[in-house]
Amino acid sequence: DVKVTQSSRYLVKRTGEKVFLECVQDMDHENMFWYRQDPGLGLRLIYFSYDVKMKEKGDIPEGYSVSREKKERFSLILESASTNQTSMYLCASTAGPNYGYTFGSGTRLTVV
Amino acid sequence: GIQVEQSPPDLILQEGANSTLRCNFSDSVNNLQWFHQNPWGQLINLFYIPSGTKQNGRLSATTVATERYSLLYISSSQTTDSGVYFCAATTSGTYKYIFGTGTRLKVLA
Repeated sequence: DVKVTQSSRYLVKRTGEKVFLECVQDMDHENMFWYRQDPGLGLRLIYFSYDVKMKEKGDIPEGYSVSREKKERFSLILESASTNQTSMYLCASTAGPNYGYTFGSGTRLTVV
Repeated sequence: GIQVEQSPPDLILQEGANSTLRCNFSDSVNNLQWFHQNPWGQLINLFYIPSGTKQNGRLSATTVATERYSLLYISSSQTTDSGVYFCAATTSGTYKYIFGTGTRLKVLA
């Protein structure tokens, strides 16, 4: 089975800190995604990557950046964390547009 | 962009009951998935089903793309089926899936 691993389950950071969320998949998938999930707003796409060093903005990229230096790893970076970035962050990967997604177990980030 | 609506928003079942969850979408879609989010937040892919019918154990799904809806059937429900069920859809040429707001299911023992 495809495994998508997110490095932290819970994270507490201070306002203004630079935060790195890491995601690793073990099935050689080309495509990786970062979503955030908030009550009442559902899942919203932040960024996705369809190849190493390639990235595209999703629906809510403001305040975030990403890095994909290796195929298996996709990092989400909060350049200067703010309280409105408190959320559940979910990483996913897929082999292609005609395949389902596999999600990681999520990182619940709290910015204080 | 497309709109994805799910119904009902909440559902409470007694163990052993059957249920049908519905996902309507506003435009033609090329890709559609169903997910289950368990109480710990893990999202599990149930089906990739842009059209037709698929079955996996007690779960089955049907997508009628021409009529812009998909259905998820849960038979003989168990308490472990509790959680939130999402459908997500996208049109051709994009990975930007739009997620519905989910159906929250609680199965009582």
